[in-house]
Amino acid sequence: EVQLVESGGGLVKPGGSLRLSCAASGFTFSNAWVNWVRQAPGKGLEWVGRIRKKTDGGTTDYAAPVKGRFTISRDDSKNTLYLQMNSLKIEDTAVYYCTRQGAAASFDYWGQGTLVTVSS
Amino acid sequence: QSALTQPPSASGSPGQSVTISCTGTSSDVGGYNYVSWYQQHPGKAPKLMIYEVTKRPSGVPDRFSGSKSGNTASLTVSGLQAEDEADYYCSSYAGSNNFVFGTGTKVTVL
Repeated sequence: EVQLVESGGGLVKPGGSLRLSCAASGFTFSNAWVNWVRQAPGKGLEWVGRIRKKTDGGTTDYAAPVKGRFTISRDDSKNTLYLQMNSLKIEDTAVYYCTRQGAAASFDYWGQGTLVTVSS
Repeated sequence: QSALTQPPSASGSPGQSVTISCTGTSSDVGGYNYVSWYQQHPGKAPKLMIYEVTKRPSGVPDRFSGSKSGNTASLTVSGLQAEDEADYYCSSYAGSNNFVFGTGTKVTVL
């Protein structure tokens, strides 16, 4: 059974930093492209970014609102995805989900999410 | 990148059909057959229901179907059941290694 379990969320002040983790199991993590998607309270889904598998270069892509502030990385030896968030803004407040990239640019498995609250 | 446009709400009685639209541009929905649909119950993670415009993942009932015409994709839920009451989001590849989601539609089963 595919499982994605996020952790690391919490309350942080504007301008602060936070690192989220996503532990994967039930599939070969090193073969997967994985994404972060967020959802502000009461709002819709927003794609944050993704990282390719290492044999595809291990490169990353980011949405414009987070580019230059957020960094996605992976540790295939630990089957874990990371999201380093710096220079956090109030508008970054959201539940952050990790998702596996499926066929045809879909997101086929999702974690349960972790809440990040940016507030003074 | 602007969000894809969906109606805020849709409803139908049990057994009826409901269709949700998802309107984008030629740079996203109209430019690629990479439209997917997600169901989200309150407090839960989204679940993939349709990918590549029309395909259903294993385990998704065939009451769910997708289509696309030009810059607008659609999700139809036939034979509505109480458990179909949820928020639904479309998503599309938007080129240049970007993705965009729809604004979301709340489906109510009357």
